[in-house]
Amino acid sequence: AQSVTQLDSQVPVFEEAPVELRCNYSSSVSVYLFWYVQYPNQGLQLLLKYLSGSTLVKGINGFEAEFNKSQTSFHLRKPSVHISDTAEYFCAVSESGRGSTLGRLYFGRGTQLTVWP
Amino acid sequence: EAQVTQNPRYLITVTGKKLTVTCSQNMNHEYMSWYRQDPGLGLRQIYYSMNVEVTDKGDVPEGYKVSRKEKRNFPLILESPSPNQTSLYFCASSSQARDEQYFGPGTRLTVT
Repeated sequence: AQSVTQLDSQVPVFEEAPVELRCNYSSSVSVYLFWYVQYPNQGLQLLLKYLSGSTLVKGINGFEAEFNKSQTSFHLRKPSVHISDTAEYFCAVSESGRGSTLGRLYFGRGTQLTVWP
Repeated sequence: EAQVTQNPRYLITVTGKKLTVTCSQNMNHEYMSWYRQDPGLGLRQIYYSMNVEVTDKGDVPEGYKVSRKEKRNFPLILESPSPNQTSLYFCASSSQARDEQYFGPGTRLTVT
């Protein structure tokens, strides 16, 4: 079965500092990769996704992520964070192609990003 | 406004009392899914549906049922709720399984 590991459960950082949230997955097949953000007391919304093509993906709010197939990673980065970026971030993976697992989406356990003034 | 709605938003119930959480989307999406979110565990998929009358199990289907009789609705049924089903539940939909999923606001369920 697919598994998604978010290596840090909590990441504290000061405003305007850069941040990287790490995500690794286990899969022997091609995958689609997603990062979702959850603000307090809200549902999730998509930050960015990788389906194919360029391994550097840009998303909303200045976030970007890089797909590294050899390391099975999809780390999320932002060069300068704001207090409003404080939220929980989830990495998610689904297996591409046809087959019985096409509709399955596997989430990591989440990383709480806290931005301090 | 394009959205996914869930009802109720909050529910406290007792063990064994059947309940249904409704989910509806107005975007004509083919794919719909249910998740539960528990502290430290992230989101885990309960059931998903690729289209009308097509449903399949996710990671944690035990104790839950779903149906997809219409494209817009995907209710989650707990026939005999137990305390370990106390959780925050999210419904989501997308055009296809690989596309961005749009999440509902969540339903916080407490089973005593």
